[in-house]
Amino acid sequence: NAGVIQTPRHKVTGKGQEATLWCEPISGHSAVFWYRQTIVQGLEFLTYFRNQAPIDDSGMPKERFSAQMPNQSHSTLKIQSTQPQDSAVYLCASSLDRDRGREQYFGPGTRLTVL
Amino acid sequence: GDSVTQTEGQVTVSESKSLIINCTYSTTSIAYPNLFWYVRYPGEGLQLLLKVITAGQKGSSRGFEATYNKETTSFHLQKASVQESDSAVYYCALGAGSALGRLHFGAGTQLIVIP
Repeated sequence: NAGVIQTPRHKVTGKGQEATLWCEPISGHSAVFWYRQTIVQGLEFLTYFRNQAPIDDSGMPKERFSAQMPNQSHSTLKIQSTQPQDSAVYLCASSLDRDRGREQYFGPGTRLTVL
Repeated sequence: GDSVTQTEGQVTVSESKSLIINCTYSTTSIAYPNLFWYVRYPGEGLQLLLKVITAGQKGSSRGFEATYNKETTSFHLQKASVQESDSAVYYCALGAGSALGRLHFGAGTQLIVIP
């Protein structure tokens, strides 16, 4: 089991450019989560899919951020017109979901730097 | 809303001494939350250390223990004798609400074990 895979591991963009982050959940896991980590805000929830359907996007910034899960093997987080304040480590996690313990397995993260 | 508080940003302990990392939580959910401790070792991703989903129960792993106390809304992490290899950042997390999907994380506590 390769665990949760995130690509790229590092991404540098210029202000105003678009960034797309990829996540491949653990095979068989039905829930996928996106979080963002910064020194100031810590670990923040962004959005959550269950069986590819969006369940909770209450943590997503209203503008420029979008997430999709077109099939059970990958999810994407897209940030349009990136700004310096978007610089963070973006973490993807997956879980079996039917387990009441809701244990989430995290990927290594994508470090996004917006210049 | 739901939140998790870790009061210590950094804890320094000598090897073989005991450790306690404090965690308290707050939730508006009428259902008891699930509680977790995650750990990030240097150069590695976030991984689950232990979890407890029933109030009054204790979880344990790698010599660490934490008891879910619903009266004091606490989930402190303890270890009787730390090792240098325990040096890492520890995060307390809460899963609450009807969806039990998203996790709310504390700010994290960096443990430094002095040999």
